[in-house]
Amino acid sequence: EAEVAQSPRYKITEKSQAVAFWCDPISGHATLYWYRQILGQGPELLVQFQDESVVDDSQLPKDRFSAERLKGVDSTLKIQPAELGDSAMYLCASSLSGTVVLSDTQYFGPGTRLTVL
Amino acid sequence: AQKITQTQPGMFVQEKEAVTLDCTYDTSDPSYGLFWYKQPSSGEMIFLIYQGSYDQQNATEGRYSLNFQKARKSANLVISASQLGDSAMYFCAMREVSMNTGFQKLVFGTGTRLLVSP
Repeated sequence: EAEVAQSPRYKITEKSQAVAFWCDPISGHATLYWYRQILGQGPELLVQFQDESVVDDSQLPKDRFSAERLKGVDSTLKIQPAELGDSAMYLCASSLSGTVVLSDTQYFGPGTRLTVL
Repeated sequence: AQKITQTQPGMFVQEKEAVTLDCTYDTSDPSYGLFWYKQPSSGEMIFLIYQGSYDQQNATEGRYSLNFQKARKSANLVISASQLGDSAMYFCAMREVSMNTGFQKLVFGTGTRLLVSP
């Protein structure tokens, strides 16, 4: 069964350091999402790609976060510099179309659990 | 304004019994979709079930069913014959379409932690 891949699964870093997370969506899925999930809360969308283009990054803290999906396949999310408040689970998801198809389902990867010391 | 409300922080159920997890939503869009996801302690979000606003029947997927009451704006998840492996966080989510981009995104509730006891 096709899955969304993410790495690393766990990352511990010190504040002010740079970190990067990688995501490989399900093959053929045009839309890729990065979510942040703070402990005890539901995931919140950070950035959404349609193929290689960003279609929504309104919740991405652009002073320190960046995301790219250069060839419209896999994606990288970077934080530089990391802050204590960035400690969270970072989830990647993909869906077939991302457009207004009522049943377009997002499938999630295993996540990267980030701890900033 | 909270668009997805899950009022039960935690629920307990005995193995083999049924349990209902509550979800209410708020939208003025006549076209929307509702999703339930399971998140075990390992962290991945597992898709369980989907209900479209125009669906005439309640969705079912194996032991999962959705009690969809459109007028009350509720979409409760029913798990029948609970198993120990059902212990996890459960999130209700609503598909929201961006007015600016036309693309959909999911808005999640705060989740309910389900504990199944032997």
